[in-house]
Amino acid sequence: ILNVEQSPQSLHVQEGDSTNFTCSFPSSNFYALHWYRWETAKSPEALFVMTLNGDEKKKGRISATLNTKEGYSYLYIKGSQPEDSATYLCAFPGGSEKLVFGKGTKLTVNP
Amino acid sequence: DAGVIQSPRHEVTEMGQEVTLRCKPISGHNSLFWYRQTMMRGLELLIYFNNNVPIDDSGMPEDRFSAKMPNASFSTLKIQPSEPRDSAVYFCASRDPNRLYNEQFFGPGTRLTVL
Repeated sequence: ILNVEQSPQSLHVQEGDSTNFTCSFPSSNFYALHWYRWETAKSPEALFVMTLNGDEKKKGRISATLNTKEGYSYLYIKGSQPEDSATYLCAFPGGSEKLVFGKGTKLTVNP
Repeated sequence: DAGVIQSPRHEVTEMGQEVTLRCKPISGHNSLFWYRQTMMRGLELLIYFNNNVPIDDSGMPEDRFSAKMPNASFSTLKIQPSEPRDSAVYFCASRDPNRLYNEQFFGPGTRLTVL
């Protein structure tokens, strides 16, 4: 059974703080890793698709790194804002067209 | 494109009633996925279709759940009879066959409450 683990499960930070969280996945037969951002009452939205070991991708204040050899990816948010409050999900292709999702990290940014 | 469309957005029903959730994928996407989001299990795949054909329904929890895709632009997920433990957010997602890496596009979800 494919296991995608995310930590921490939830995180509370103050506005302006920088923060990061982790996604762990099987390191063998790596294909790609997805990060999604899900705000309550909205659709989960794709942030990044990461494919190469050492990849670093950036979107505004959010960036992600990838280590396929050890099976982890970090998501960083610099200078968190209240609008960054959301659940951040990572997902790993689970054969054929499926994605296996972690349980997410729920981020709350307090003003 | 309007994105993946789901209806209703919220559904409150009583135990034992039939519930039907609806999904319209993005035009041109040939794969459709139904997920259930709960606190305990996170986002779990229930079933997915490719070219309207069910490919993997191993995530469907029990016989009370059924899904259909009669054409490329419409799918339903039905629960009959519903139970309180079915309360969750149900997402539909679709996939563009021209995109690599299994990237999926999600609808806004249906929040189901079974009393």
